[in-house]
Amino acid sequence: DSGVTQTPKHLITATGQRVTLRCSPRSGDLSVYWYQQSLDQGLQFLIQYYNGEERAKGNILERFSAQQFPDLHSELNLSSLELGDSALYFCASSPREPKTQYFGPGTRLLVL
Amino acid sequence: ELKVEQNPLFLSMQEGKNYTIYCNYSTTSDRLYWYRQDPGKSLESLFVLLSNGAVKQEGRLMASLDTKARLSTLHITAAVHDLSATYFCAVGEYNDMRFGAGTRLTVKP
Repeated sequence: DSGVTQTPKHLITATGQRVTLRCSPRSGDLSVYWYQQSLDQGLQFLIQYYNGEERAKGNILERFSAQQFPDLHSELNLSSLELGDSALYFCASSPREPKTQYFGPGTRLLVL
Repeated sequence: ELKVEQNPLFLSMQEGKNYTIYCNYSTTSDRLYWYRQDPGKSLESLFVLLSNGAVKQEGRLMASLDTKARLSTLHITAAVHDLSATYFCAVGEYNDMRFGAGTRLTVKP
């Protein structure tokens, strides 16, 4: 158990819908990272927040957005969902760079 | 653009044998990470390598980093079934982290 929690574990929705994934980092970790893992794209970095501020952006689509709240939990919002958005979404946290990242259990999203 | 290539992508080993997984990357970077992922599970951090020549060992796994060659290796010694998993290397900094495609390792009795 890494100490990072993610909800929900599974999510099934339809194309065109919007969902929100939630992540609680390890106690004391200020950085939160979001990743997408799919069979065709592999593991891709989406976005990072540090202490409430956006720190870095990776391959995140404009339909996707994220935020980190004052209590340091983070949410990833996915809108106008497409079939290709079906994937495993991981959240990770770290105390600071360049320390390792601790990954949560993931949210498996299925878009039908 | 930072690219990370792992090879092999699939590896089937006999227990007790040694093997090496390679991770090549395309731009200068002095930080490299190795992760392990079991089927249906999350990623577990194995090693963080932060400088040229860095070598870290944990049990039957040893990782090294050659920043001049832009190469990291993950060496497996006397493999056991419990090492069966997918191993990822990742390169870069917080604003550009790239993962390799992963090496799916199967250790057979």
